[in-house]
Amino acid sequence: DQQVKQNSPSLSVQEGRISILNCDYTNSMFDYFLWYKKYPAEGPTFLISISSIKDKNEDGRFTVFLNKSAKHLSLHIVPSQPGDSAVYFCAASPFSSNTGKLIFGQGTTLQVKP
Amino acid sequence: KAGVTQTPRYLIKTRGQQVTLSCSPISGHRSVSWYQQTPGQGLQFLFEYFSETQRNKGNFPGRFSGRQFSNSRSEMNVSTLELGDSALYLCASSSGLAGYTDTQYFGPGTRLTVL
Repeated sequence: DQQVKQNSPSLSVQEGRISILNCDYTNSMFDYFLWYKKYPAEGPTFLISISSIKDKNEDGRFTVFLNKSAKHLSLHIVPSQPGDSAVYFCAASPFSSNTGKLIFGQGTTLQVKP
Repeated sequence: KAGVTQTPRYLIKTRGQQVTLSCSPISGHRSVSWYQQTPGQGLQFLFEYFSETQRNKGNFPGRFSGRQFSNSRSEMNVSTLELGDSALYLCASSSGLAGYTDTQYFGPGTRLTVL
């Protein structure tokens, strides 16, 4: 039972354009969501997060949108740069229960072409 | 602040052996979580330690165990290694405090290969 889904295994965009990565979840108990970026053979790097009391959070070129009614979140990268090419994971947590456990999606490989 | 460190970075073992991996969290962090990443299963939660106590556990067999020391450093042990245990093992640290949006920061991982 996959509670966090990233239905697009890969995405290719042109440098300077917008990258939109999507994530769906099924468990309504999730109330804290994170995006991580990962290069091969390295640990995930935290990018941005959002709690369920918000519907948008912005940090530089990265914006995360949360639609609780649709159980959907998305990460927007504007403008996309070749250095953004990596695997992006969304993760969810019921932070109020403080279990220290993140549920990850399967990841989306983003390729930004120069 | 120094980030999360993991040792060793690479490890090769044979079936039936046991292995111990180490993780040092970010200074001041009291929670350490362990994850296994494989191509087929993605990133899966193993267990979390907070103040030397296991606070949560994923769906892994008892061959996978861990502990946490008073300085918050954590070790993970896998006994009777199987070929399927070959994976990237990641640890993540966070403050572990309830009521906060507690972000986990990951180490570089230990690549375990079981032959």
